[in-house]
Amino acid sequence: SQTIHQWPATLVQPVGSPLSLECTVEGTSNPNLYWYRQAAGRGLQLLFYSVGIGQISSEVPQNLSASRPQDRQFILSSKKLLLSDSGFYLCAWTPRTGLGSQPQHFGDGTRLSIL
Amino acid sequence: ELKVEQNPLFLSMQEGKNYTIYCNYSTTSDRLYWYRQDPGKSLESLFVLLSNGAVKQEGRLMASLDTKARLSTLHITAAVHDLSATYFCAVVSLGGSQGNLIFGKGTKLSVKP
Repeated sequence: SQTIHQWPATLVQPVGSPLSLECTVEGTSNPNLYWYRQAAGRGLQLLFYSVGIGQISSEVPQNLSASRPQDRQFILSSKKLLLSDSGFYLCAWTPRTGLGSQPQHFGDGTRLSIL
Repeated sequence: ELKVEQNPLFLSMQEGKNYTIYCNYSTTSDRLYWYRQDPGKSLESLFVLLSNGAVKQEGRLMASLDTKARLSTLHITAAVHDLSATYFCAVVSLGGSQGNLIFGKGTKLSVKP
């Protein structure tokens, strides 16, 4: 069966520090991968999605970036964190065929607090 | 631009009561998903609705989709405390090579004894 892992689960970082969040999927090949952010008490905002290695689409302009160095690995990064980057970051995947009878499957998330 | 609106955003109900959460969306889509999120946790898939008139049921929850009205409902029957959570609907945006999910803001459900 397929599983998705995110780490770390919790992170506290000072303003201006760098960021690296990692997401890996097991048990499937060529997944579509997604990064979302959820601000406190709010809905989900799609940040990036990827349909293959090195292929990244950005949905909103920001100081974050994403990379996909391997088929089942998706990384969210920042060179300098802002206070507004605080939130709950969720990684998700779907089969290569896209959204159909299978929903997007979400990782457990990373709670990021910027001080 | 696809917009997804849920109402109510907050719902406090007593155990044993019935209620419906509504999800409206602004442009044509034939795929809609319902998720549940417990406090501090990730999203758990509840239902996948893939066609007009689709109805799915799991325990005390039943979801339906009317693509002509661009409306989905999540009906709660005889609520119990364990159903307290935030419920999100999400609709496929057909832009892009694969289509992406656009989420509603969520309905925070609190079931009280």
